[in-house]
Amino acid sequence: DAKTTQPPSMDCAEGRAANLPCNHSTISGNEYVYWYRQIHSQGPQYIIHGLKNNETNEMASLIITEDRKSSTLILPHATLRDTAVYYCIVSTKNFNKFYFGSGTKLNVKP
Amino acid sequence: DTAVSQTPKYLVTQMGNDKSIKCEQNLGHDTMYWYKQDSKKFLKIMFSYNNKELIINETVPNRFSPKSPDKAHLNLHINSLELGDSAVYFCASSQGTIEAFFGQGTRLTVV
Repeated sequence: DAKTTQPPSMDCAEGRAANLPCNHSTISGNEYVYWYRQIHSQGPQYIIHGLKNNETNEMASLIITEDRKSSTLILPHATLRDTAVYYCIVSTKNFNKFYFGSGTKLNVKP
Repeated sequence: DTAVSQTPKYLVTQMGNDKSIKCEQNLGHDTMYWYKQDSKKFLKIMFSYNNKELIINETVPNRFSPKSPDKAHLNLHINSLELGDSAVYFCASSQGTIEAFFGQGTRLTVV
């Protein structure tokens, strides 16, 4: 089962940063934190992943706490197209137990 | 070009029928997956295939069977369809460990 806890929904104003939290207090040393999103009823889309260092790519930034028990996905300038369900997933690199939880429904408002 | 493509996009069928959903990926990935998203929107992995070998087989009914004719294809066969099989089925592929690419889903409705 999913090893993460996320708020069910969040609102964000367009153009502002969206900060999506995720708790994963039982994460193991060899497990990564992955973020995916699902826009409407499309297939999930990879966003970013990390092990213990903060990561940034063209889509988002991932901040992982030093004890690795929680993380935050940051969308620096949210747009209406970022409205989606965001999934935080903890898994080894082999996708053996890649479970999607209930995610956070991000509503970006004008 | 679509990276992971599924057909059909919609499938409506009667209980008891046998149906297949096809999946193809043109990314050269070595692992393909099938996920089921139920009415509550939970995504659950059903199968994964790596180099034609089944490496994950979650506790799904044996009416569901994945078939991989080659590395680029992983089809899902479902026998004796039941009402509870109604869901959206997603195919995905990955190379190694970083990123899985998902198809657009097949919405199966059993009536």
